[in-house]
Amino acid sequence: EPEVTQTPSHQVTQMGQEVILRCVPISNHLYFYWYRQILGQKVEFLVSFYNNEISEKSEIFDDQFSVERPDGSNFTLKIRSTKLEDSAMYFCASTLSRGPGNTIYFGEGSWLTVV
Amino acid sequence: AQKVTQAQTEISVVEKEDVTLDCVYETRDTTYYLFWYKQPPSGELVFLIRRNSFDEQNEISGRYSWNFQKSTSSFNFTITASQVVDSAVYFCALSEADNAGNMLTFGGGTRLMVKP
Repeated sequence: EPEVTQTPSHQVTQMGQEVILRCVPISNHLYFYWYRQILGQKVEFLVSFYNNEISEKSEIFDDQFSVERPDGSNFTLKIRSTKLEDSAMYFCASTLSRGPGNTIYFGEGSWLTVV
Repeated sequence: AQKVTQAQTEISVVEKEDVTLDCVYETRDTTYYLFWYKQPPSGELVFLIRRNSFDEQNEISGRYSWNFQKSTSSFNFTITASQVVDSAVYFCALSEADNAGNMLTFGGGTRLMVKP
C-alpha cells in the first residue's frame, strides 16, 4: 500500500540551528501538508501546499518556517532558527486532490528535539 | 470557527470490554467531513474512517463502529470486545467544505489503555 515516508525519524538539534525535515508524499497525490504535535498535545495544522505554492497556513507557521518541493518527489519543511518550543513531532501528509472530503494520509512523523 | 472536543482524556478498560470514545464538534458549515485517526505508541497517525455530513448512517467495520448524530453534533467511536492492540491515542478530526486547504482540526485525543 502506498505510504507517506518521512526522514529523519528523530533529530536532535541545538537551539538556533536550521533544520530540514523531508517527506516523500504518495506518488500520485497533489496536495501536501505539514502538521505538528507537541508532546502530549493535539495535532495542529501548519501549512498546506498545492501547485508549488502555499495554499493555507496557520498562525504557527511564521517566518521561521518554509516549505519547498525541490523536485518531483520530495516535500520539505525548513525551520530556520530553531527554538526550544519547536520540539515536537512533525507529520507530513498528502491527499490525491483538493477538497475537504479527501482522506489525508499521514507519514510516521519526525521527532524534533531542540536542546 | 471549527472545534472538536474529546472530553475523555484517558480511558482504561479490561480486554474484551466494549468502549465508546466520544467526539463532539462545532462548525458553521452545512457540509463538512469527520475523521477518526489512531495513534499507536509508535507515533504514526493511522486513518480509520471518513464520514461526510450528509451521511448519517452508522458504520461498522469489524470490531469498530461509528455513530454519527447531527442533532447532537457527535461522532462517537465504539470498539467492541477490545484487545490490548487497541491501546492507542484516538483522535477525532473535522474538515469544513469551505476550507479549500483541506485543513483538519483535531480534538485533543483520547488515550485508550486496554489491560489484559
